[in-house]
Amino acid sequence: DAKTTQPNSMESNEEEPVHLPCNHSTISGTDYIHWYRQLPSQGPEYVIHGLTSNVNNRMASLAIAEDRKSSTLILHRATLRDAAVYYCILIPTLNAGGTSYGKLTFGQGTILTVHP
Amino acid sequence: DVKVTQSSRYLVKRTGEKVFLECVQDMDHENMFWYRQDPGLGLRLIYFSYDVKMKEKGDIPEGYSVSREKKERFSLILESASTNQTSMYLCASSQDGRQAFFGQGTRLTVV
Repeated sequence: DAKTTQPNSMESNEEEPVHLPCNHSTISGTDYIHWYRQLPSQGPEYVIHGLTSNVNNRMASLAIAEDRKSSTLILHRATLRDAAVYYCILIPTLNAGGTSYGKLTFGQGTILTVHP
Repeated sequence: DVKVTQSSRYLVKRTGEKVFLECVQDMDHENMFWYRQDPGLGLRLIYFSYDVKMKEKGDIPEGYSVSREKKERFSLILESASTNQTSMYLCASSQDGRQAFFGQGTRLTVV
């Protein structure tokens, strides 16, 4: 399975933008890039996903490098409620050598601390 | 409103008991997942099912089995519960490579 690498932790101030990086140099052409976050004492929640093009939704933006070997989750104005663990995950979309379609495996993620 | 429902929020079982954790989704998703989460170890995949009666082992399947007889229901079975299976258990479902939805979690304590 393709792996992702994220910083263990990052800090931000409230109302400032946050750029959370993710490296995935072994990504295959059919892997989706997903971001989830987990707030304290809650289950993970979906943030955003993309394949090749940059994506925007009400929560965040996803910037995908042209070679797809890295991506950045952008929170445009961090709030205290954005303090969470953020996970960057590759989801395969084709069966290949035992890798199952849609399998969702979490890494360690980035702990985001937001200061008032 | 889409929903993944786990049968219990809190569960206390005795060592050696057979334990069933149930998960139901109402979105007609093909994929369902069982994870456990422990402090400092993150979310670890136990089993994954990509269709009825189809399953694949995750990273830590030892001591667990699963059952998926109907598309909407995915059960995690602890054949003989042990204290090291005390954990938070999370179920999720998804379709294709799209957004996954998570249940609220079951905190299992084995005494």
